[in-house]
Amino acid sequence: SQTIHQWPATLVQPVGSPLSLECTVEGTSNPNLYWYRQAAGRGLQLLFYSVGIGQISSEVPQNLSASRPQDRQFILSSKKLLLSDSGFYLCAWSVTPEGSGGYTFGSGTRLTVV
Amino acid sequence: AQSVTQPDIHITVSEGASLELRCNYSYGATPYLFWYVQSPGQGLQLLLKYFSGDTLVQGIKGFEAEFKRSQSSFNLRKPSVHWSDAAEYFCAVGAGGTSYGKLTFGQGTILTVHP
Repeated sequence: SQTIHQWPATLVQPVGSPLSLECTVEGTSNPNLYWYRQAAGRGLQLLFYSVGIGQISSEVPQNLSASRPQDRQFILSSKKLLLSDSGFYLCAWSVTPEGSGGYTFGSGTRLTVV
Repeated sequence: AQSVTQPDIHITVSEGASLELRCNYSYGATPYLFWYVQSPGQGLQLLLKYFSGDTLVQGIKGFEAEFKRSQSSFNLRKPSVHWSDAAEYFCAVGAGGTSYGKLTFGQGTILTVHP
């Protein structure tokens, strides 16, 4: 069966420190992968998506970057965190490439920048 | 580009009462439509989806939703709410085709259930 793992679950980082959040998928190959950020009362904002190894598309300009070094691994990074980077980060993969099957989400990472 | 509006930020119902959560979308063609549920501090779980066929779709946990093209709506319903249904609910729309499976989510509706 397909599963998605996301870690860490909780992270408190000082302003200016680096960030690395990891997401891995099991039980499928060549998935479309997505990073979303959820701020309180603001729904989910798509940050990055990837349709293959090394292929990253950014949806919004920001302090973050993403990489996909392996087929089933998706990493969200920052060189220097800002206070505004705080939020709940969710990784997801699309059950079908065109999206008709919806997403399976990871359990999320709560990032607090202090 | 597609968009989604969930007009109700917060809804409170009594246990056993019926529920309807509203969702309106904007998209030029027939979209892919989804409802997700999120418990506090957790990821999102898919409740149901629509992309073609019967406009009334059944989902998990006793939920259903009806696609109404003329109203650009995809409202979520449940005949009798249980206390465990308290959570945040998100409607989402996808454009399919060459959109790479990207989904646009509404702002969410928080459901509170009173005993």
